[in-house]
Amino acid sequence: QSVLTQPPSVSGAPRQRVTISCSGSSSNIGKNAVNWYQQLPGEAPKLLIYHDDLLPSGVSDRFSGSKFVTSASLAISGLQSEDEADYYCAAWDDSLNAWVFGGGTKLTVL
Amino acid sequence: QITLEESGPTLLKPTQTLTLTCTFSGFSLTSGGMGVGWIRQPPGKALEWLVAIFWDDDKRYSPSLKSRLTVTKDTSKNQVVLTMTNMDPLDTATYYCGHIRTWYSLRYFDLWGRGTLVTVSS
Repeated sequence: QSVLTQPPSVSGAPRQRVTISCSGSSSNIGKNAVNWYQQLPGEAPKLLIYHDDLLPSGVSDRFSGSKFVTSASLAISGLQSEDEADYYCAAWDDSLNAWVFGGGTKLTVL
Repeated sequence: QITLEESGPTLLKPTQTLTLTCTFSGFSLTSGGMGVGWIRQPPGKALEWLVAIFWDDDKRYSPSLKSRLTVTKDTSKNQVVLTMTNMDPLDTATYYCGHIRTWYSLRYFDLWGRGTLVTVSS
C-alpha cells in the first residue's frame, strides 16, 4: 500500500489528453513539492516534472503538472504511442521523514 | 553530463549482506546541495525509496528499513556504497542509484542509473 495513491491504469487515443492523479496528505503533498517520473518498459525512471509544475530541460511541453492542497495531477496532451509507460508521483513526507512514491499508473495509448 | 552506474552481486542467499556501489561522474559530492540516493523496484511493482546521502554527510534512511541499511560515500572515488543486511527473497528487486539535486531548499531525484537486478534465493 503506497503512501501516495494513483490509479493503476489510464488510457487514451492518440492526440487525446489524459490526466493522472496522485492523492496524498498534509504531511507530504500538502507541504512539499511533487515530482513526476516516467518509466518506459525495461528502463530506469526519468524525471518529467519537478516542484509540482516545472519541466526539466529536454522534456516535452506536452507534459504538465499541477497541485491543489493534497492532490497532484500529471497531464499529457497530444498522446503519442511512445508515451506508453508507467508514471510515478513522489514527494517528501514530513511525518515519515522519507521520500514516498505512488503505486504507479500504467498509461496505454489505444 | 551526469552519469551513475550501479555495481554489485546479482545473486545472494537469504541472510547474506548486500553491498552495492554507485559510481558517478559529472558532479562531486563535495559540492553544496548535491546528494545520491537509492531506490528499488521489485519485479512488476512500484518504486521504493531506501536511502540518501548528501554533500555535508547528512544521511536519510527509509524508516521501515533503517535497521538494515548503511550508506557511505567516498568522495575521492566518486562512489556511494549501500549496505543492506539480512537479505530476504522479498528484497529481490532492481536497485537504482540516483542523483539528488537541491533547488533552493527543495531536494529531488533528477537522474538515475540503469539499475542492477539483485535476486535473493536459496
